[in-house]
Formats: sequence, C-alpha cells, structure tokens
Amino acid sequence: AQKVTQAQTEISVVEKEDVTLDCVYETRDTTYYLFWYKQPPSGELVFLIRRNSFDEQNEISGRYSWNFQKSTSSFNFTITASQVVDSAVYFCALTLSYGQNFVFGPGTRLSVLP
Amino acid sequence: DTGVSQNPRHKITKRGQNVTFRCDPISEHNRLYWYRQTLGQGPEFLTYFQNEAQLEKSRLLSDRFSAERPKGSFSTLEIQRTEQGDSAMYLCASNRTQGGEKLFFGSGTQLSVL
Repeated sequence: AQKVTQAQTEISVVEKEDVTLDCVYETRDTTYYLFWYKQPPSGELVFLIRRNSFDEQNEISGRYSWNFQKSTSSFNFTITASQVVDSAVYFCALTLSYGQNFVFGPGTRLSVLP
Repeated sequence: DTGVSQNPRHKITKRGQNVTFRCDPISEHNRLYWYRQTLGQGPEFLTYFQNEAQLEKSRLLSDRFSAERPKGSFSTLEIQRTEQGDSAMYLCASNRTQGGEKLFFGSGTQLSVL
C-alpha cells in the first residue's frame, strides 16, 4: 500500500524567510508520480508540480523549488523569500502509473506573517 | 477549460436525511474522482469512474454512500441516512486517461449534519 507522510503539521515564518516543507512517501512500485498541491483559504486544491519516479532532477519555478531524492523517499518543497500569499495548506500526494487512487499526506499548514 | 464544478457549495441537513451532490468535470476528462476531506486532514479517496464505469471504491465508502456517472459526464454522490460523522468537505476531481495525470479539483461541497 502507498503512504505519504508530512511530519510538519504547522509552520509559521515571517515574510521573506525561506521555508521547506517535508514529504516522505512509501511505495513498493518502481513507477509512480509525486505531486504537490496548495489549498488556500478559499478551499480549492491547486496543482503545483508533478514528478515521475524516473526523473530525479530538482526543479525550480520562481520562488518555488522541489528536491526529489529516491534514496530517502522524499520530495521536499522549498519556498524562497516567502510572502503572505503563500499562506495555505500544502499537500504532497502519490499515485502509481497504473492505479488511479491518489494518496494524499495530511498536509502542512503554512502561515507567513507580515 | 471551465474547470470542475460542484453543487451545492454548502449543504446543511439533519441527521437521518438523504443528501445528493453533483459534480461536473472538465469536459474532455474521462476520469472522475470523489474525495472526502475533514478538518486538518488530507483528502481521502472515496471512489473513481472511468467514463460511466465505477472502477474503484474505498472501504470508507459504506453502503449508505452511492455514486453514479450515468452518461460518463457529470456524477452524483448520494449519502443516505446521514450521520454526524459524515460532516466533511466532499471534493470532486477529474483528469484524462493517462498514467500519473494530475487531478483538477472542484471547490467542494461542505456538508454539515446536525
């Protein structure tokens, strides 16, 4: 069975600080996909990134970056120079290439204070 | 892309009543998912459809829950004899038939059972 763990329940930072959100996953399959979603106070889950298990290259998109390490089964998300608008709950998720059940972690609530 | 649409946004009902929610996926998406999210938790998978076929159901989906997607377009989720434990946000998502394709989520239906 698949599992996603996000050990950080809540994080508070002051604006402009960098923050890293941790995600650890479990699966016995060799082909899988990892995702990060953002859930702002409005409630709708917004897709941020997808990674497949064969692509371990780190990715940067503006102030966001992702570090995928198969050796530690981790897919961490860093926000550089955080802003108040980054305040939201962030979810890490996993799905297999053939199965369609997306397994979500419990989420990390990020509060960025002005 | 008009996005995934869910109705109603909010539903308040008394214990023992039946409720029905509707989801309209993105038109070209043939996969449709239902998730449930309670406060402070990540989305939990309930069921998913490929076209009109219901291909997977979670053990969370008791016999009081039924989902349909009669023509492979919109879907309904019905809860019979609601219980207070059914209070949650019910999320609908859709994607295309392709391994690891990202999910597009609706805004959800917030159910409160009094």
